[in-house]
Amino acid sequence: IAGITQAPTSQILAAGRRMTLRCTQDMRHNAMYWYRQDLGLGLRLIHYSNTAGTTGKGEVPDGYSVSRANTDDFPLTLASAVPSQTSVYFCASSAVTGETQYFGPGTRLTVL
Amino acid sequence: SQQGEEDPQALSIQEGENATMNCSYKTSINNLQWYRQNSGRGLVHLILIRSNEREKHSGRLRVTLDTSKKSSSLLITASRAADTASYFCATDENRDDKIIFGKGTRLHILP
Repeated sequence: IAGITQAPTSQILAAGRRMTLRCTQDMRHNAMYWYRQDLGLGLRLIHYSNTAGTTGKGEVPDGYSVSRANTDDFPLTLASAVPSQTSVYFCASSAVTGETQYFGPGTRLTVL
Repeated sequence: SQQGEEDPQALSIQEGENATMNCSYKTSINNLQWYRQNSGRGLVHLILIRSNEREKHSGRLRVTLDTSKKSSSLLITASRAADTASYFCATDENRDDKIIFGKGTRLHILP
């Protein structure tokens, strides 16, 4: 692994299903972030984590949950997916909160 | 709420010309960052400018910051076809832990 990776690359999901998007970084960064990107709305912060064991809510946290059990992993879970959660999801990390972020390649999620 | 707002939303210029994009924000910040996104890809960091800095350069990129006007500009000189992308500014809203992005400027370099 080099940098930050996300899985899956894309997913089609039935409404009501549970889904976890995975994010892993090997840079030993303290901070990690989840964004969604929708046409015309730019990137919106869903949740973030300043360091392992802590998480915080972003601009659009409803319907999503995160955990940060260790430094490397920051999964994003949709407990019961809805069509409005159709989006491209980006994970990012930074050495320190508020500093340069490094982005993963994104996960394209479609909820039908 | 949207912290950073880029202007213009879209910009088309001839190759070789300079491109200027602006970003306005609402609250106090520790730093402001500019990112580039090529179609279908993740964002790539370009420059970070701190609140006590007024100007910063990186290759063909020049970023200015005016904290009194709560605004920043990104200048790309001698544009190339490869500069075609979306450009986003991002700030730490209220010097908080959250990094908030604007909606971006779509830059298209014409051959």
